Amino acid sequence: NAGVTQTPKFQVLKTGQSMTLQCAQDMNHEYMSWYRQDPGMGLRLIHYSVGAGITDQGEVPNGYNVSRSTTEDFPLRLLSAAPSQTSVYFCASSRGHGNTGELFFGEGSRLTVL
Amino acid sequence: DAKTTQPTSMDCAEGRAANLPCNHSTISGNEYVYWYRQIHSQGPQYIIHGLKNNETNEMASLIITEDRKSSTLILPHATLRDTAVYYCIVRTQGGSEKLVFGKGTKLTVNP
Repeated sequence: NAGVTQTPKFQVLKTGQSMTLQCAQDMNHEYMSWYRQDPGMGLRLIHYSVGAGITDQGEVPNGYNVSRSTTEDFPLRLLSAAPSQTSVYFCASSRGHGNTGELFFGEGSRLTVL
Repeated sequence: DAKTTQPTSMDCAEGRAANLPCNHSTISGNEYVYWYRQIHSQGPQYIIHGLKNNETNEMASLIITEDRKSSTLILPHATLRDTAVYYCIVRTQGGSEKLVFGKGTKLTVNP
């Protein structure tokens, strides 16, 4: 198993550009989520999904869109990037509702918006 | 989910036990205590979780007080590779899957 795979690992954008951060897991996990982490801060939840076709907002959803068309994939879209979205983004998955809740994280995607 | 309070930073000598405290005074009866750690800039890693009994696995031990208002994560023989930020989280099993991370404790293991 590859676990949780995030691409790209590094990205530089200009203000106003759009892009998609990809996240894929091969563990058949129902639950997937996206976090962002800024310097000196803990992780803040952006969006999450409890299964294919179901998504919901976390703590800091503004400026981001998600969709969950398959169990394996949970892409995060930035429609119009802003410097405030410069951050490290982590995708995570777990077996889902009612289980122990152990989250498996990807290695992160480092985004810089100029 | 209940909030947690952790010290900002701690130091530990290599080979000694590292004891990381967490306060969760508003924890509910059906909320579990989880610990994760984040080494440098990697993705966080699950360590251990428990409800009310003490738990031990190959990585650490978790001691939860009888009133469940606080807990301690114990790394029995800390190594330099245990230097990381440690997060204590409480959540309801079977409830919302979203975990809310605070700022955690930065543990530095010194040679």
